[in-house]
Amino acid sequence: NAGVMQNPRHLVRRRGQEARLRCSPMKGHSHVYWYRQLPEEGLKFMVYLQKENIIDESGMPKERFSAEFPKEGPSILRIQQVVRGDSAAYFCASSPDRPDSNQPQHFGDGTRLSIL
Amino acid sequence: RKEVEQDPGPFNVPEGATVAFNCTYSNSASQSFFWYRQDCRKEPKLLMSVYSSGNEDGRFTAQLNRASQYISLLIRDSKLSDSATYLCVVNRGFKTIFGAGTRLFVKA
Repeated sequence: NAGVMQNPRHLVRRRGQEARLRCSPMKGHSHVYWYRQLPEEGLKFMVYLQKENIIDESGMPKERFSAEFPKEGPSILRIQQVVRGDSAAYFCASSPDRPDSNQPQHFGDGTRLSIL
Repeated sequence: RKEVEQDPGPFNVPEGATVAFNCTYSNSASQSFFWYRQDCRKEPKLLMSVYSSGNEDGRFTAQLNRASQYISLLIRDSKLSDSATYLCVVNRGFKTIFGAGTRLFVKA
């Protein structure tokens, strides 16, 4: 499968635990984006990363959330000390170049995070 | 005011109907434009890019009006399988902005 790969598809955590969501971009893509979608709501941008760099994290909550895209391996979205309000679908997308290159983003299947 | 605005709908149309969605954007520096569709609880999927000259893909036609800062999507001969949420997407510099989406229900 040459598409964007996210895992796990479903993740259940108890309040206070940590959640780690992984995203492997499409082959040849070095730009990764994370979005959150609450039930019955639209996509909300969280963070845009290029290999080893955070380009735009204007959509990330100031506390408990962090993201990385190391030189080797997938991008990781990490949520510490999860709360019920973190329950959502988290989508990752990738593109081969910057947004202003006119290249569309391609999405993974998402991770559904449920907090008990 | 949101940078990208869409009519949330829902649009309820019969099979075979023609339906059009508009999307407005507020920043004239916006550079590239796309339509995505999202089915319930699934990932957004690219429907088509939108070019100034307009472009067509089968039953779908997209138009861009830079002067008025809006893009449109026209769906002809609607099918039941077209029922989804249609997302307008605008790129500006390193930012990608998604509209909240327009819901379409096509009924038999």
